[in-house]
Amino acid sequence: EAGVAQSPRYKIIEKRQSVAFWCNPISGHATLYWYQQILGQGPKLLIQFQNNGVVDDSQLPKDRFSAERLKGVDSTLKIQPAKLEDSAVYLCASSLWAVEETQYFGPGTRLLVL
Amino acid sequence: QKEVEQNSGPLSVPEGAIASLNCTYSDRVSQSFFWYRQYSGKSPELIMSIYSNGDKEDGRFTAQLNKASQYVSLLIRDSQPSDSATYLCAVMTRQGAQKLVFGQGTRLTINP
Repeated sequence: EAGVAQSPRYKIIEKRQSVAFWCNPISGHATLYWYQQILGQGPKLLIQFQNNGVVDDSQLPKDRFSAERLKGVDSTLKIQPAKLEDSAVYLCASSLWAVEETQYFGPGTRLLVL
Repeated sequence: QKEVEQNSGPLSVPEGAIASLNCTYSDRVSQSFFWYRQYSGKSPELIMSIYSNGDKEDGRFTAQLNKASQYVSLLIRDSQPSDSATYLCAVMTRQGAQKLVFGQGTRLTINP
């Protein structure tokens, strides 16, 4: 069974530029999560989708971050414009249905904002 | 008060000894608790979940939960150098929409 796929793996941009990350969850998984993990901290949930509907985006900085999950499969997370403090690893995870179920993480995208 | 608190370490344990990792949480109504392991530069992977008070054993790993004290722990017996990693405690919070809240992680080093 293929795991959660993410791209790109690394991205370096300058502040005020925009960037987009892509995630393909495990086949059949209805729930998809985007986490931000700053160095030395645990992952922080940014947004949770169930199929193509948003369940929780309370911690998503909506003035600069946006996410979508068209057709309930792949998802993209965008930052526009980026700030220095956005430097982090962006992790995508998926679970079969309910949030209580095991979440499987992708390899992450490491973002450096200069 | 942070929702999930862990000692960031580093925690250094000799090979073959027991490593003990601790976590406290603030949401009294939480029902689901998880331990993830994260190797440097890698993504978190689930190693244990626990839902009821008491102990749950899986191989060399034992998770312990005390809901009255709002305390979760992970014991690793016969520690191996390959256990060296950051261990993340995660709690399913029921404040608002259910979501997994992670602690900052404890960095564990097993010394040969």
